Amino acid sequence: DTAVSQTPKYLVTQMGNDKSIKCEQNLGHDTMYWYKQDSKKFLKIMFSYNNKELIINETVPNRFSPKSPDKAHLNLHINSLELGDSAVYFCASSQERQARTNEKLFFGSGTQLSVL
Amino acid sequence: KQEVTQIPAALSVPEGENLVLNCSFTDSAIYNLQWFRQDPGKGLTSLLLIQSSQREQTSGRLNASLDKSSGRSTLYIAASQPGDSATYLCAVPGNLFFGTGTRLTVIP
Repeated sequence: DTAVSQTPKYLVTQMGNDKSIKCEQNLGHDTMYWYKQDSKKFLKIMFSYNNKELIINETVPNRFSPKSPDKAHLNLHINSLELGDSAVYFCASSQERQARTNEKLFFGSGTQLSVL
Repeated sequence: KQEVTQIPAALSVPEGENLVLNCSFTDSAIYNLQWFRQDPGKGLTSLLLIQSSQREQTSGRLNASLDKSSGRSTLYIAASQPGDSATYLCAVPGNLFFGTGTRLTVIP
């Protein structure tokens, strides 16, 4: 009964390829997020969706495109992968919109992306 | 833009010791602050969330305090155990700006 699940756990690919990471939450939350954690363990928000609507879009290359088919899913598509994209990507969810939430954040276990 | 700093970056203590982890932030206009725990190869687990109107929250051996005016929060861990070994991160507000964490090792 994993609350926030993301797949795959590991992703190894060549530069220039296109890849996707899937995320699903079964908590009934309205808001989902994608974060990137770099090699120095610095965690940075990339996107946030509330009820399928994009509410946060930080300075992220447009090669990264989130897609939310419904409020329980937020997938991350990455085109033309570069070496610098290597990192751990975390999906998360919370009950309310990011700016006003007083609800805890629930994380997936992460996807370690390695671009060769 | 909010900047979050956690000092020290790493901390080793013997089992049973009480300890304090620190979190500093530059913009005091926050809705809340959240403390997380991250185990190697895992996602973050929320430990405590303090709303801006609160000064502290407690859960078991953990106590988190918030002083908005000074831009500081502390996480107090009582009677530390080897199972407490992990990286502890704070975020303000709880979903946006994360510190780089304090890696805690509790030595049996």
